Amino acid sequence: ELKVEQNPLFLSMQEGKNYTIYCNYSTTSDRLYWYRQDPGKSLESLFVLLSNGAVKQEGRLMASLDTKARLSTLHITAAVHDLSATYFCAVDIRAAYTGKLIFGQGTTLQVKP
Amino acid sequence: ETGVTQTPRHLVMGMTNKKSLKCEQHLGHNAMYWYKQSAKKPLELMFVYNFKEQTENNSVPSRFSPECPNSSHLFLHLHTLQPEDSALYLCASSQVGEGGWYNEQFFGPGTRLTVL
Repeated sequence: ELKVEQNPLFLSMQEGKNYTIYCNYSTTSDRLYWYRQDPGKSLESLFVLLSNGAVKQEGRLMASLDTKARLSTLHITAAVHDLSATYFCAVDIRAAYTGKLIFGQGTTLQVKP
Repeated sequence: ETGVTQTPRHLVMGMTNKKSLKCEQHLGHNAMYWYKQSAKKPLELMFVYNFKEQTENNSVPSRFSPECPNSSHLFLHLHTLQPEDSALYLCASSQVGEGGWYNEQFFGPGTRLTVL
């Protein structure tokens, strides 16, 4: 069974702290995406990771991909309240005609002042 | 219009009603998707259309009926729904590339559906 598992599922942290969200997946894939969702809103694309060792950074967020370990991380540096949201990773399943993204359960991040 | 648009944004319907959700993508993509997102649950993929052909039906009840007349438009026809079908319905699109990669999906704002 294809699985994408995120941990933690809920994260409460203080402003200024660092933390990492983990995304483990059970199938072979070289492509992974991170999305952000604010309450009641749609999903916004954050990062596209297309190869082993890929690292992308945007502001206080940095994402990386290790395809051999089947692991992606989303690192938060010096968190601010505006980063409070739910973060999803999604693995691209390469399969002609029936391919799709498999989403993790989401990690809800709450940054407290 | 840019990106992926969905209408209506909010919908309240009775269990005996028939309604339709509409999605339009302005990105030139060739694949479109319907997802259901219930409170505190993961995203559930419902349907995938690739070049207008349905390639995935994720065991969705027949009271949900998708229609994809062209690569830019996607509909979800609803009839005799149940209260547990209340959820946020998200449409997405992507460009299927060479080798079968479905690539990054771009999401619409969603339709918040309430079934009474």
